[in-house]
Amino acid sequence: KAGVTQTPRYLIKTRGQQVTLSCSPISGHRSVSWYQQTPGQGLQFLFEYFSETQRNKGNFPGRFSGRQFSNSRSEMNVSTLELGDSALYLCASRVDSQETQYFGPGTRLLVL
Amino acid sequence: GENVEQHPSTLSVQEGDSAVIKCTYSDSASNYFPWYKQELGKRPQLIIDIRSNVGEKKDQRIAVTLNKTAKHFSLHITETQPEDSAVYFCAASKGGSYIPTFGRGTSLIVHP
Repeated sequence: KAGVTQTPRYLIKTRGQQVTLSCSPISGHRSVSWYQQTPGQGLQFLFEYFSETQRNKGNFPGRFSGRQFSNSRSEMNVSTLELGDSALYLCASRVDSQETQYFGPGTRLLVL
Repeated sequence: GENVEQHPSTLSVQEGDSAVIKCTYSDSASNYFPWYKQELGKRPQLIIDIRSNVGEKKDQRIAVTLNKTAKHFSLHITETQPEDSAVYFCAASKGGSYIPTFGRGTSLIVHP
């Protein structure tokens, strides 16, 4: 099976702009979670989607949003970018009945 | 919510030595404890996991131990090799949501 894929792999944006990141889960995986990884804070949970519905949400401001499509692909959007949003954004997918998550390669976002 | 503490943040060993990374968690309801390895520029990959009904699990040179009473779990790597150099993350989650809370990571450096 193909692994989790994310596009784009790298992005440079300026403050105030918005950005959309995409994640394609492993075939058959309907749960997709998003994480923000920074050197200072480690891996922090953003949200989880299952069957096109947000099922869990972490402690991030409303500028961070996401959605999931009927084919389980997911997107996350960050509006009004801030310098502190510079990070590696990882998505992970899993089979709903199992705990194990499989991560994508991440999208590295740099906000100038 | 759950809080996971991980120590040390950096661990430097000689090739062939053993390495131990320790994590503590706060939520006694947590019952699934995965360990991820993240090599530089790559995605986190699951290397071993343990559930709360088991005290120890081994996979070749890697082992994980769990003490539910003390709420801590550890990763043990024996006969370390340079390719073991990476950042290791512990995590804890509980049934229902399966959303893991991650530790801050341990940078393991194995010197040849």
